[in-house]
Amino acid sequence: DQQVKQNSPSLSVQEGRISILNCDYTNSMFDYFLWYKKYPAEGPTFLISISSIKDKNEDGRFTVFLNKSAKHLSLHIVPSQPGDSAVYFCAASAFQGGSYIPTFGRGTSLIVHP
Amino acid sequence: EPEVTQTPSHQVTQMGQEVILRCVPISNHLYFYWYRQILGQKVEFLVSFYNNEISEKSEIFDDQFSVERPDGSNFTLKIRSTKLEDSAMYFCASTMDRSYEQYFGPGTRLTVT
Repeated sequence: DQQVKQNSPSLSVQEGRISILNCDYTNSMFDYFLWYKKYPAEGPTFLISISSIKDKNEDGRFTVFLNKSAKHLSLHIVPSQPGDSAVYFCAASAFQGGSYIPTFGRGTSLIVHP
Repeated sequence: EPEVTQTPSHQVTQMGQEVILRCVPISNHLYFYWYRQILGQKVEFLVSFYNNEISEKSEIFDDQFSVERPDGSNFTLKIRSTKLEDSAMYFCASTMDRSYEQYFGPGTRLTVT
């Protein structure tokens, strides 16, 4: 049961170009969306989030776009840097029992070439 | 910068043995979580813990699993009788409040042989 889908297991981008990572979800109860970044041998690190009342959130080189009607969100990284090479997880949350438990996608491995 | 720590980084155990995975959450955090990630698959929620009791658990968190906060700093996950399919990375996470943005530890790789 994949409520959160990241259909691209990997993405390769040239340094300086834009990286676009995509995520689709099926559960209309999700009201908060997050992107986590994970380096090898480390745990996921929170990157950026967006509430369902917004359609865009920007933080430096990172922008998340939300299209609620399409149940789709994307993460844009511009300009991409080699240090951005990591696995990116999309996650979605809905309030459950007082704790916002995220449902994760399988991740997209981003490689940024110098 | 405060961080969540986990020990050991890698645990190898035989099927049927008990294992305890340890986590030290960020000191002023109140909500604690365990997740697992089977190789090549997504990160899956196991359990959340607040005020010394389980607040939520997933279908994965069956009677073989238990969690405990034995003192003011540690948060443990016990698997009573490990199975081959328990082999995975186990991540601990914590938050100060009912926040979406959880802080994850580096994980413990559990290998059941």
